[in-house]
Amino acid sequence: NAGVTQTPKFQVLKTGQSMTLQCAQDMNHNSMYWYRQDPGMGLRLIYYSASEGTTDKGEVPNGYNVSRLNKREFSLRLESAAPSQTSVYFCASSELPGSGGLAGKTKNIQYFGAGTRLSVL
Amino acid sequence: AQSVTQLDSHVSVSEGTPVLLRCNYSSSYSPSLFWYVQHPNKGLQLLLKYTSVATLVKGINGFEAEFKKSETSFHLTKPSAHMSDAAEYFCVVSVPYNTDKLIFGTGTRLQVFP
Repeated sequence: NAGVTQTPKFQVLKTGQSMTLQCAQDMNHNSMYWYRQDPGMGLRLIYYSASEGTTDKGEVPNGYNVSRLNKREFSLRLESAAPSQTSVYFCASSELPGSGGLAGKTKNIQYFGAGTRLSVL
Repeated sequence: AQSVTQLDSHVSVSEGTPVLLRCNYSSSYSPSLFWYVQHPNKGLQLLLKYTSVATLVKGINGFEAEFKKSETSFHLTKPSAHMSDAAEYFCVVSVPYNTDKLIFGTGTRLQVFP
């Protein structure tokens, strides 16, 4: 059971370089998410996608772009990396969007990948 | 607006003693509340979830949490700590009616001493 798979696991970039973080899930989930984790700040949502073909900004979207390539894959792109983007990035997926009521609440558990550790020098 | 506050950034216990990790929440609606655990260099794993069916929620590895609306709390407990419980724990609230967006607390690092 692969669940949520992220690549690469580690990456070092120079300021101004670009890169794409890949995420794939095999659980047939509709919603996918990208978070960043910084010391003492928990996880903060960068972008999310409620369904194939749709994306929306989260709490900290500046400097990032995303693509929901298909139902399985959701990529995060840094066009011009900055030292402030040094972080651990997590992708997650959930079965359905929250729609209120018990049914919605039982289906909004998010499953996380193992993370990508990115350093920007 | 929804938010969670984890009252302790670090908690240290001896193996075999009880664990208490404290979390207070703020929500305009009936919230979904979660506890996630993150072991070193790993992703996050769901420990348990409150879905307004029962106020005492049992999770994996012997953990449980009690939802107390009057105190706006969702503290995580375990009767007897094990060395393998050493990890970072996140209290999380979901934003209702809006595609499952989660609001994370800042985390509590649990150390377990032999």
